Amino acid sequence: NAGVTQTPKFRILKIGQSMTLQCAQDMNHNYMYWYRQDPGMGLKLIYYSVGAGITDKGEVPNGYNVSRSTTEDFPLRLELAAPSQTSVYFCASSYRGGQGNTIYFGEGSWLTVV
Amino acid sequence: QKEVEQDPGPLSVPEGAIVSLNCTYSNSAFQYFMWYRQYSRKGPELLMYTYSSGNKEDGRFTAQVDKSSKYISLFIRDSQPSDSATYLCAMSANYQLIWGAGTKLIIKP
Repeated sequence: NAGVTQTPKFRILKIGQSMTLQCAQDMNHNYMYWYRQDPGMGLKLIYYSVGAGITDKGEVPNGYNVSRSTTEDFPLRLELAAPSQTSVYFCASSYRGGQGNTIYFGEGSWLTVV
Repeated sequence: QKEVEQDPGPLSVPEGAIVSLNCTYSNSAFQYFMWYRQYSRKGPELLMYTYSSGNKEDGRFTAQVDKSSKYISLFIRDSQPSDSATYLCAMSANYQLIWGAGTKLIIKP
């Protein structure tokens, strides 16, 4: 049972480039999330999904896109990378949403935009 | 004013000390309160959660919620170097979690 797996672990992008952060979970969880974590700022929700085919915006969705074609996978697409997107990105999943349900996190993807 | 306030630290204490980590919040609708632990270069993992007010104990860890003061605490007894990590509080009133910024804790051997 691998839990939540994210790739790549580290990436350097040039301004204006695009890339996709991959995320997969093998716990048959319905809910999946993408967060970014900046120093001193806590976790900010980018996008979330309550099941295959359903996605919705979080607090900071601008500059990102997601899709959820299967229960297992929830890729995050960065279009036209900007320095403000330099951050650590965490994918997470839970069986149900919020309300005390345990959220399981991946190990993070460190992204630098130069 | 942030919805959840948490002192970023770092908080450095000697091994064996009792540690108190705290968060304050402004939204009285929050009902679920969680503490996550995050080791360096890793994702957060759930440590404890409580519903509404009161205390919850799990081994060396105790979580307290005081809804009247909008204040939550995590106490660590007999702290160990392996407790060195960033501790994030999180709370929710519905599906969405609101996170504190995290407190970096260093336990000195």
